[in-house]
Amino acid sequence: GAVVSQHPSWVICKSGTSVKIECRSLDFQATTMFWYRQFPKQSLMLMATSNEGSKATYEQGVEKDKFLINHASLTLSTLTVTSAHPEDSSFYICSANPTSGSLSYEQYFGPGTRLTVT
Amino acid sequence: GQNIDQPTEMTATEGAIVQINCTYQTSGFNGLFWYQQHAGEAPTFLSYNVLDGLEEKGRFSSFLSRSKGYSYLLLKELQMKDSASYLCAVRVISNYQLIWGAGTKLIIKP
Repeated sequence: GAVVSQHPSWVICKSGTSVKIECRSLDFQATTMFWYRQFPKQSLMLMATSNEGSKATYEQGVEKDKFLINHASLTLSTLTVTSAHPEDSSFYICSANPTSGSLSYEQYFGPGTRLTVT
Repeated sequence: GQNIDQPTEMTATEGAIVQINCTYQTSGFNGLFWYQQHAGEAPTFLSYNVLDGLEEKGRFSSFLSRSKGYSYLLLKELQMKDSASYLCAVRVISNYQLIWGAGTKLIIKP
């Protein structure tokens, strides 16, 4: 099956600093990747859709200047949380759809990154 | 608007059968997914239905009725490790984006 990795798996940072989270599709190419945020005991909340070679599409209420997304290649998307605050502490998960092939209907999830802002 | 409904929580007994329902109202439809998510972990894929009917995969089965906007996930021979949240998601036609339900927390008791 297809594998998506995320790095780091967890990070603790101080308020006001920036944190970069990487999402990689290891054995397939993904034109589109998705970034989600999940608070404790709540469901997934889509933050943005990351498109290779173009600007990300952000969901309503998500600040694009705070959550910078770069999708520079077909296997890598990054999410940078700028000027992080304690309320940004959450579980961030990425997912990707294979560009083609028999597995292209499924969305594969990375293992998630737990961000704690102190 | 887009709306997906599923029960918040269900409880079942080890060895029994449980059915988790999901109803949806979306602007488009290109398949319905069920994912399992254990606490603190990312979701893992369970099933995908795009045509009406039942898809069986081991202890898990998923059913879809597009005309009714309805799906269910059936779990048989429940095991303690099945305690998790089960997420229903619908793929709308554009951009492979998934619309997610809030998830059903399944509690398995001995």
